[in-house]
Amino acid sequence: GENVEQHPSTLSVQEGDSAVIKCTYSDSASNYFPWYKQELGKRPQLIIDIRSNVGEKKDQRIAVTLNKTAKHFSLHITETQPEDSAVYFCAASGNYGGSQGNLIFGKGTKLSVKP
Amino acid sequence: DGGITQSPKYLFRKEGQNVTLSCEQNLNHDAMYWYRQDPGQGLRLIYYSQIVNDFQKGDIAEGYSVSREKKESFPLTVTSAQKNPTAFYLCASSSTRNQPQHFGDGTRLSIL
Repeated sequence: GENVEQHPSTLSVQEGDSAVIKCTYSDSASNYFPWYKQELGKRPQLIIDIRSNVGEKKDQRIAVTLNKTAKHFSLHITETQPEDSAVYFCAASGNYGGSQGNLIFGKGTKLSVKP
Repeated sequence: DGGITQSPKYLFRKEGQNVTLSCEQNLNHDAMYWYRQDPGQGLRLIYYSQIVNDFQKGDIAEGYSVSREKKESFPLTVTSAQKNPTAFYLCASSSTRNQPQHFGDGTRLSIL
C-alpha cells in the first residue's frame, strides 16, 4: 500500500521568508496530491492540490511541485505571514484496487511564522 | 466547508459504553470518510463509503462501526471494544472517489 513521509516535522521562519515542506510517497500509481492546513482545534482545510499530469501549480503565495520520477512533492509558501502558522499535511491518493481514491496522510509539519 | 456538520463537538465515554458520532453533509457528495487524529499524527482512515448502503474498512477499523442508510449521513459508532478511543474524529466527504475531500469541524472524544 501507499506510504507518505513528510519533512520537517517542525519549521520556524521569520515573517516574509519562504517555507518549504517536502513529502515522499511510495506507490507510483498515486495520482492525486492535496495539501491541507489545520489550525489548532479546527478542521483541515484544502489549500492546494495537484494531479500527476502536471509538474507545478500556483495559487498566489502558495505553490506545489511534483516530481513523479523521484516520487516526491513539495509545498512552497512565499512571503510568509503570521496567519500562515498552522500544521500542514500532505496526502497522496492512489488508484489501485478497492482503496481507489483513499488519501494517505503524512504526519504533518508545524509551521511557525515569527513576526 | 459549512456543508459538513459533525456533532457533538465534545463527547465523553464511560467504560463499556458505545457512543455514536454524527456526520451530515448537504453537498450531495457520494463518498464519505471517517478519520481519527491523534497528537503528532496524521489522519488515519477508519471507514469509508462510496455510495449509500455500502461501506469499507479503512486502516484502523477495529472497535468502530458505521452505517450509510442515507446519502447525506454517515454516523460512526465507537464501541466498547475500542480500548483507546480518546482522539479527535474527523468526517469528510468528496463528490466521488479521488476528488478533493472536505472536512467537518470534528468531534473530540474523551474517556470519563
